[in-house]
Amino acid sequence: GAVVSQHPSRVICKSGTSVKIECRSLDFQATTMFWYRQFPKQSLMLMATSNEGSKATYEQGVEKDKFLINHASLTLSTLTVTSAHPEDSSFYICSASRGEGSSPLHFGNGTRLTVT
Amino acid sequence: GQNIDQPTEMTATEGAIVQINCTYQTSGFNGLFWYQQHAGEAPTFLSYNVLDGLEEKGRFSSFLSRSKGYSYLLLKELQMKDSASYLCAVMDSNYQLIWGAGTKLIIKP
Repeated sequence: GAVVSQHPSRVICKSGTSVKIECRSLDFQATTMFWYRQFPKQSLMLMATSNEGSKATYEQGVEKDKFLINHASLTLSTLTVTSAHPEDSSFYICSASRGEGSSPLHFGNGTRLTVT
Repeated sequence: GQNIDQPTEMTATEGAIVQINCTYQTSGFNGLFWYQQHAGEAPTFLSYNVLDGLEEKGRFSSFLSRSKGYSYLLLKELQMKDSASYLCAVMDSNYQLIWGAGTKLIIKP
């Protein structure tokens, strides 16, 4: 069964509004979660690494004031897309690992965001 | 720089065998992962190789040669549901995942 839960699966919002996406590890504690964005027919692009109890680490080119990440507990990380614009429409996916080092990532089901 | 190469698209016939290759150049190596991703869905974990050789798991097998910077995913007895993108990812010395662009596999009856 799923080990990482992501919600919502689909969201449509108006330009200028904010959208929050939740990512939960269901049966393990994840000190680190990852947020990816994927445009159609393109590979996953790491946006940021979410660290429990501390600030997220953003990849180059990702606006930290636009994509707010909060990792308040060992099982929950949230991504808030603030003042969304149509170009933010994408597939957002979170992931977490059960353990340290080279344990495989488990992905949430993803969130399809459409900004109108 | 770091680079993962895999074919963009492959076509195979139902019931046949297909091999998807992946070559990599990364700063260090802490394992290679294969993921399957159906259109519009998140990736699902298929295999992990850190030592040279072949790992078999049902219809899927994955091979690694660290000296050649090369891996392949072998899919046997292809089924229509195997139509998906297959992503190769390498974990570098900092335990960061470097992703390939994915190989779209099309299965024909």
